[in-house]
Amino acid sequence: KNEVEQSPQNLTAQEGEFITINCSYSVGISALHWLQQHPGGGIVSLFMLSSGKKKHGRLIATINIQEKHSSLHITASHPRDSAVYICAADGGAQKLVFGQGTRLTINP
Amino acid sequence: SQTIHQWPATLVQPVGSPLSLECTVEGTSNPNLYWYRQAAGRGLQLLFYSVGIGQISSEVPQNLSASRPQDRQFILSSKKLLLSDSGFYLCAWSVAWGIETQYFGPGTRLLVL
Repeated sequence: KNEVEQSPQNLTAQEGEFITINCSYSVGISALHWLQQHPGGGIVSLFMLSSGKKKHGRLIATINIQEKHSSLHITASHPRDSAVYICAADGGAQKLVFGQGTRLTINP
Repeated sequence: SQTIHQWPATLVQPVGSPLSLECTVEGTSNPNLYWYRQAAGRGLQLLFYSVGIGQISSEVPQNLSASRPQDRQFILSSKKLLLSDSGFYLCAWSVAWGIETQYFGPGTRLLVL
């Protein structure tokens, strides 16, 4: 069993839909990261959180430390949101353990 | 502002040949530096990290090595490439203290034939 599990692995939705991607982890963490990987491979850090909730534009990330679970939400999804979304657990010393990623496709 | 560079962008190498991938960071001092690999169909995996010049920690046993000859330069090497070394290699940096965001380079796509 992976230390960081994401669901779903693949997600296809229509433009405008509300998107939720889930991440569960089994290790103790100091922070949980959400990353976005574009089709060309480049990775952008979206959020780093250790408690509660963070919002940036149409993106919202939440974490429940007791349940070892985090979610990434996208409101009013757009085709340009199509990418692979990766959660990563920082177990300490900034050494990240990654989930397998969720491939999101938003159709116009 | 800080930027991170990696080169080459793509590389095709025969089995048994040597490898050198370079990563440099601009606009910051004494960063933590990381090498990750993403094999085809698999998730990202931390290979090496460095908290300072000459200080390298390896996370997984493998055919690769890393060096940090200067504060903002991180090099990934191999003496003899294996087919299993193929993948997408990403360098990243973070501020050297606390719980910090990691910033990723553009990556090098390596194909070993």
